[in-house]
Amino acid sequence: AQSVTQLDSQVPVFEEAPVELRCNYSSSVSVYLFWYVQYPNQGLQLLLKYLSGSTLVKGINGFEAEFNKSQTSFHLRKPSVHISDTAEYFCAVSRGNTGFQKLVFGTGTRLLVSP
Amino acid sequence: SQTIHQWPATLVQPVGSPLSLECTVEGTSNPNLYWYRQAAGRGLQLLFYSVGIGQISSEVPQNLSASRPQDRQFILSSKKLLLSDSGFYLCAWSRLAGVSDEQFFGPGTRLTVL
Repeated sequence: AQSVTQLDSQVPVFEEAPVELRCNYSSSVSVYLFWYVQYPNQGLQLLLKYLSGSTLVKGINGFEAEFNKSQTSFHLRKPSVHISDTAEYFCAVSRGNTGFQKLVFGTGTRLLVSP
Repeated sequence: SQTIHQWPATLVQPVGSPLSLECTVEGTSNPNLYWYRQAAGRGLQLLFYSVGIGQISSEVPQNLSASRPQDRQFILSSKKLLLSDSGFYLCAWSRLAGVSDEQFFGPGTRLTVL
């Protein structure tokens, strides 16, 4: 079975600083990987996803993530954050090559951007 | 374009009372539908999913049930709420044949059981 670990429950950064949110997964089969963002009291919105191909994936709002199969990681990065990036970020994994998609989510990382 | 609605947005219910949360999807047909619960500090827990009308799969044993009376309608229910049922409930949909497709989430319902 798949599982996802988000090592940091909260990451405080200053505006315009770079940030990395860590995600590690465990799975014995090929996987698809996702990052979602949740703003306060809202649903989740997809930031980016890795299905296959290039290991560097670019998403919305200037975010990108790199798939590292040997380290089973899919860390999310942004070179310069804005106040508006304050939100909770969830990493998720689904098992590839199945007829039905179930996502397994990490516990989330709260990004706090201050001026 | 597709949209997903959930109501109510917030709900405060006494312990032992019944529950009905509704989710509807517009602009697509034959979606996969999902109910998640988000408890503080615990991420998202998949409660139920459905691949078609009347087809419900439960992920964890609990005090809740789900139904799908119509193709784009998904209902979460309980006969008697417990304090532990408090949380933020999210409905989501994905394309039926889309293994790699994203899930699209509704705005959520915040349930407080007192």
